[in-house]
Amino acid sequence: DGGITQSPKYLFRKEGQNVTLSCEQNLNHDAMYWYRQDPGQGLRLIYYSQIVNDFQKGDIAEGYSVSREKKESFPLTVTSAQKNPTAFYLCASTSIAGDNEQFFGPGTRLTVL
Amino acid sequence: RKEVEQDPGPFNVPEGATVAFNCTYSNSASQSFFWYRQDCRKEPKLLMSVYSSGNEDGRFTAQLNRASQYISLLIRDSKLSDSATYLCVVNGRGGNKLTFGTGTQLKVEL
Repeated sequence: DGGITQSPKYLFRKEGQNVTLSCEQNLNHDAMYWYRQDPGQGLRLIYYSQIVNDFQKGDIAEGYSVSREKKESFPLTVTSAQKNPTAFYLCASTSIAGDNEQFFGPGTRLTVL
Repeated sequence: RKEVEQDPGPFNVPEGATVAFNCTYSNSASQSFFWYRQDCRKEPKLLMSVYSSGNEDGRFTAQLNRASQYISLLIRDSKLSDSATYLCVVNGRGGNKLTFGTGTQLKVEL
C-alpha cells in the first residue's frame, strides 16, 4: 500500500541533543513538507522541498535542518538551537501535478526533557 | 489578520443534529481549498476538497464564496464518529504551500 511513514511515533530526548525524525513516502510525490503542531494551534510549516536536492524554509525554520537526497525521503533534524522543540511533528507530501492535496504521515511526538 | 480563521469551538451537538462551520481566508488569489479532519493525537486526513460550485459527499456539503472569501462545511445527521477537529485549509501562498486554520472542534453527544 502506498503511503507516508514516520518514525519513531514517540521520541524522548534530553535538552541540548540533536534528534532526527524520519519521513519516507512511496507515493512517487515530488513535494514533501514538515509541519509542527502545538496544542490548540494550527499546523506551522517548518521546511518544504519540491524536488530532490532542493528545499526551502517555511515559517518557523530556525533551529531545524533538512535534507532531500532521495525523492522518497525527507528527514528533519531538530537541533539544540530550537528553543522549544517539544511538539507533534507531521510530514506530508503532494504531487505537484495534482490539486495540492497533501497526504500526511502518522506523526512523531517529540518530548524534550 | 490571520491567513485562515476559524471559530475554535467546541461545538457540542446531539446525535442527528446539523452543524455548520465557517472559515475565512485573507488572500483573494487563493486557488485551492480543503477541509481536513483531525482526530485526537492523529494526523490530519482529507475530508473533501472545496469547489467553486459547491460539492457534496454523503452527509457533508462544502461551499466556497470567493466574493466574501469564506468556506463552509455542513454536516447533516451528525454521528458520534464525526467528533473530531475540522481544519480549514487554503492554498494562498503560491506553489504547493498550504495554510491551515487552527481547527474547529466538534463533539457529537448522545
